[in-house]
Amino acid sequence: QSALTQPASVSGSPGQSITISCTGTSSDVGGYDYVSWYQHHPGKAPKLMIYDVSNRPSGVSDRFSGSKSGNTASLTISGLQAEDEAEYYCGSYTGGSTLFVFGTGTKVTAL
Amino acid sequence: QVQLQESGPGLVKPSGTLSLICTVSGGSISTYYWSWIRQPPGKGLEWIGHIYYSGTSRYNPSLESRVTISIDTSKNQFSLKLSSVTAADTAVYYCARVQMATIFMDVWGEGTTVTVSS
Repeated sequence: QSALTQPASVSGSPGQSITISCTGTSSDVGGYDYVSWYQHHPGKAPKLMIYDVSNRPSGVSDRFSGSKSGNTASLTISGLQAEDEAEYYCGSYTGGSTLFVFGTGTKVTAL
Repeated sequence: QVQLQESGPGLVKPSGTLSLICTVSGGSISTYYWSWIRQPPGKGLEWIGHIYYSGTSRYNPSLESRVTISIDTSKNQFSLKLSSVTAADTAVYYCARVQMATIFMDVWGEGTTVTVSS
């Protein structure tokens, strides 16, 4: 099972919106609405930002939103803030022997 | 609020066995699934496997022959053993709680670095 494909980096000015893509196959992203997104600041515990494609856990800012079309899921950060600078990973359930697969990771920079 | 803390040796010799423990505090380990995930230097996250409080486990096929995850509900801990380690197993190892209905990790530990070197 290969890792899901994400852009290595995405940047934007504070206040702008950015979108991170996460591309898989019909065996993972495209086959199930079980995509999740994680924010990871170096040296800290990863934080769940989105689950089941578009659901936000309690306490996560509504500036974060998720969607999916076909084999590609997306995370949008609206009103980008300096505190949003981090690595972001998508993840998906797979129907195969590898139960869960992560994306390659995207470094978000607020210019 | 549930918190997870990884612990174990930071250095393991090649061909040895990596052993880590995850201690769950602020809640019971029962009725949930629990997972180990790792991140090699400069690389992305990799799911290692998970275990249910009943002891049922499932592993990443790429590691299955070397991995054992076990659970001790009396201590609110679960553990990871990875045998025959090589430098490729050097990574930050995270434990996490899994919401199994739709498979996502909602609580994570801060991670522990394990280096495989002689």
